[in-house]
Amino acid sequence: EIVLTQSPGTLSLSPGERATLSCRASQSISSYYLAWYQQKPGQAPRLLMYDASSRATGIPDRFSGSGSGTDFTLTVSRLEPEDFAMYYCQQYGGSQVTFGGGTRVEIK
Amino acid sequence: EVQLVESGGGLVQPGRSLRLSCAASGFVFDGHAMHWVRQAPGRGLEWVSGISWNSGNIGYVDSVKGRFTISRDNTKDSLYLQMNSLRLEDTAFYFCAQGSGYASASYSYFTLWGRGTLVTVSS
Repeated sequence: EIVLTQSPGTLSLSPGERATLSCRASQSISSYYLAWYQQKPGQAPRLLMYDASSRATGIPDRFSGSGSGTDFTLTVSRLEPEDFAMYYCQQYGGSQVTFGGGTRVEIK
Repeated sequence: EVQLVESGGGLVQPGRSLRLSCAASGFVFDGHAMHWVRQAPGRGLEWVSGISWNSGNIGYVDSVKGRFTISRDNTKDSLYLQMNSLRLEDTAFYFCAQGSGYASASYSYFTLWGRGTLVTVSS
């Protein structure tokens, strides 16, 4: 099982600032099989990125993903008020799908 | 409208059973693998099980193997999760999710999610 570790646990930023979220895998993830989700309280997760750097339908271009192997990053270039939420990474290159523990992006 | 709607959650005693359902609409149901993902209150996400478009490929997280059974009925655009021998640690919101492909029960990200149904296992 591939373990994903997200950091930091909480990111305190102001609207307009840049957010950089990290996801590190316990072993190399094949073929960039990594996705990112956003989840707000009381809601289901929403797919943001897949294949490490491809934006899902309808996701604004202030969201970008990068990385390969064991180190992946989600960047939000300029935080909008609606971006304050939980973010999870997920790998789908191993024998079982696994998620990271999440990063909370909160308003400073 | 493209949506997934879960039902069947509730309060159940340890050791008992529960069957969850997920009704799909607005997309070609048998064109996708389908999955169950759960989230304990205040905790992170955990993939539970997945099933390919034709039920030929099925997978489970280790903690539910032998207790949970996933199935689908493409004639009814519906996904199911039969949960037996429930444990306290199975308490969670259970989300139905559309897989990114159709053939794999595990190599998938999740493109559409339902709102979830809460399962509470307690004596």
